[in-house]
Amino acid sequence: KQEVTQIPAALSVPEGENLVLNCSFTDSAIYNLQWFRQDPGKGLTSLLLIQSSQREQTSGRLNASLDKSSGRSTLYIAASQPGDSATYLCAVRPWGSGNTGKLIFGQGTTLQVKP
Amino acid sequence: NAGVTQTPKFQVLKTGQSMTLQCAQDMNHEYMSWYRQDPGMGLRLIHYSVGAGITDQGEVPNGYNVSRSTTEDFPLRLLSAAPSQTSVYFCASSVTGGQSSYEQYFGPGTRLTVT
Repeated sequence: KQEVTQIPAALSVPEGENLVLNCSFTDSAIYNLQWFRQDPGKGLTSLLLIQSSQREQTSGRLNASLDKSSGRSTLYIAASQPGDSATYLCAVRPWGSGNTGKLIFGQGTTLQVKP
Repeated sequence: NAGVTQTPKFQVLKTGQSMTLQCAQDMNHEYMSWYRQDPGMGLRLIHYSVGAGITDQGEVPNGYNVSRSTTEDFPLRLLSAAPSQTSVYFCASSVTGGQSSYEQYFGPGTRLTVT
């Protein structure tokens, strides 16, 4: 059974710091991995999508990497800002579920960036 | 594009009442899903659809019905509300093809309380 774990559960950093959020998954047979951001009381905003054949994706100050063989992904946030404060969720789409909406989510990392 | 829209944003029901959560997307996505988000449980798939007229069950389908008569709409029906269905409900849709294969887009959510 695919399980997704995110460590740490919460993180507090000063503004300007570079940081890494971790996501691990137990089964390497995935179609893709997606990172989301969720602000309190809001929906999920897609940040980056990494297909199983890719190693990394970049968008602005965000960089996500994928190592399928070790079952790990990292989300790197450069020069963090208070506006980055949110919960970050990692989700994998298991191989064979390509025709479904099924994503397996981690519990999330709640990030606080202090001014 | 409005993306994925959900109504209502908030709803309070009494045990035994029924209601329909509305979801619509204007991106011509084939795939649509319903998730619920609960503290400590993360997001769990309720039902999904791979196209008009085709639906299937996810992880936690009991107590919920869906139908997909059009590509745009995917309503979720609570047949007889129970306190265990108190949750935040998210609708999501997916593209297919190209570099964005199966990237998931989420609606803003419906916060449901059953008393």
